[in-house]
Amino acid sequence: GAVVSQHPSRVICKSGTSVKIECRSLDFQATTMFWYRQFPKQSLMLMATSNEGSKATYEQGVEKDKFLINHASLTLSTLTVTSAHPEDSSFYICSATRTENTEAFFGQGTRLTVV
Amino acid sequence: AQSVTQLDSQVPVFEEAPVELRCNYSSSVSVYLFWYVQYPNQGLQLLLKYLSGSTLVKSINGFEAEFNKSQTSFHLRKPSVHISDTAEYFCAVSVAAAGNKLTFGGGTRVLVKP
Repeated sequence: GAVVSQHPSRVICKSGTSVKIECRSLDFQATTMFWYRQFPKQSLMLMATSNEGSKATYEQGVEKDKFLINHASLTLSTLTVTSAHPEDSSFYICSATRTENTEAFFGQGTRLTVV
Repeated sequence: AQSVTQLDSQVPVFEEAPVELRCNYSSSVSVYLFWYVQYPNQGLQLLLKYLSGSTLVKSINGFEAEFNKSQTSFHLRKPSVHISDTAEYFCAVSVAAAGNKLTFGGGTRVLVKP
């Protein structure tokens, strides 16, 4: 099966600092990766879609300057939360897809706590 | 645009009893349908999916879901639940033309009681 690994699984950072979350497809090439955010007891909300080698497409209401997404290779996408604040504390999940398959494979998620 | 509605936010159920999680969707075009399960502090795991063909799809751990186009529903069922089935379940749709961009429902928390 296809494996997507997300790192770190948990991170605590101080308010005002930046945090980078990595999403890797371990055994397939992912031309498209998606970043979701999940608030406690709520569903996943799509933040952005990233295609390898091009700029990410952000959903309405998501600040692109705050949530920097880079998809420099077919196996790695990163999400950087810049100048994090406590309200950015959340569970972030990525998914990756092959172009020839409709299934999305999810990482295990990253719980970010900003103190 | 698509939308997904999961009518029950929480479903308590006794062990070995049946459970049904309801999912309705809205879309002006054909969609693919998915059920995902999320255990605490973990990512999503695909439970089952409907792409085409038989409208009844089954998972390896006893869950099944039936696609009903006329009712725009994709309800999930299990005839006998286990304690280990306690988790959050998400219904999702994907528009084929848009690739794998998923629209999720609000989730249903299943709590299996002994």
